[in-house]
Amino acid sequence: AQSVAQPEDQVNVAEGNPLTVKCTYSVSGNPYLFWYVQYPNRGLQFLLKYITGDNLVKGSYGFEAEFNKSQTSFHLKKPSALVSDSALYFCAVRDRNYGQNFVFGPGTRLSVLP
Amino acid sequence: GAGVSQSPSNKVTEKGKDVELRCDPISGHTALYWYRQSLGQGLEFLIYFQGNSAPDKSGLPSDRFSAERTGGSVSTLTIQRTQQEDSAVYLCASSLSGFTDTQYFGPGTRLTVL
Repeated sequence: AQSVAQPEDQVNVAEGNPLTVKCTYSVSGNPYLFWYVQYPNRGLQFLLKYITGDNLVKGSYGFEAEFNKSQTSFHLKKPSALVSDSALYFCAVRDRNYGQNFVFGPGTRLSVLP
Repeated sequence: GAGVSQSPSNKVTEKGKDVELRCDPISGHTALYWYRQSLGQGLEFLIYFQGNSAPDKSGLPSDRFSAERTGGSVSTLTIQRTQQEDSAVYLCASSLSGFTDTQYFGPGTRLTVL
C-alpha cells in the first residue's frame, strides 16, 4: 500500500528567502505525485504534479518540485517566498499499479514572515 | 466555467440522525472522489467513482457511510446514525478522467454532530 510522509508540521521562513516543504513517499510501483495547497477558508488548489519525464516539475505561483526516485522524495520548493504563500500544503501519491485512490500526506503549514 | 460545488456548506445535526451531502462535479468530468478532513488532519480517502464502473469504496470507514452517483454526474454521500467522530469537513473532487488527471476540489461541507 502507498503512504506519504510530510515530516514537518510547520515551516517558518522569512519573506524573500527560499522555501522547502518536504515530502517522502512509499509505493510498490511507480508513483504519480502531486502537491496541493489549502489557503485559509478555501478549498484545495492544485499546484503541480509529476507523472513521467523530467524530474523537475514547475507549477503554479512559482513553485517547483523535484522527483527523486532513489530518495523517494518529492520536495516542494520556491526560490523566494511571499507572505501570501502562507497556507497548508499537502503532498499526495498514487501508485500506478495499485488501486484507484490517492493518499494524501498530513499537511505542512507554511508561515512566511514579513 | 463553474467549479465543483457542494451543499450544504455547513450542517449541524444531532447524534443518531442521518445526513446527506451533495456534490456537483465539473461538467464533463468522469471521475469523482469523496474525502474527509478532520480538524488539523490530512485528507482521508472515502470513495471514488469513475464513469459507469463500480465505485472504489475501500476508504469508507463503516457501513454507516454510503455514496451514489446518479447519471454519472451529481453524487450524494450519506451518513446514517451519525456519531460525534463523524464531525469533519467532507470534500468532493472531480477530474477529467484517469489516474494522472488533476483533481479539482469543492469548498467542502463542514459537518458537526452534537
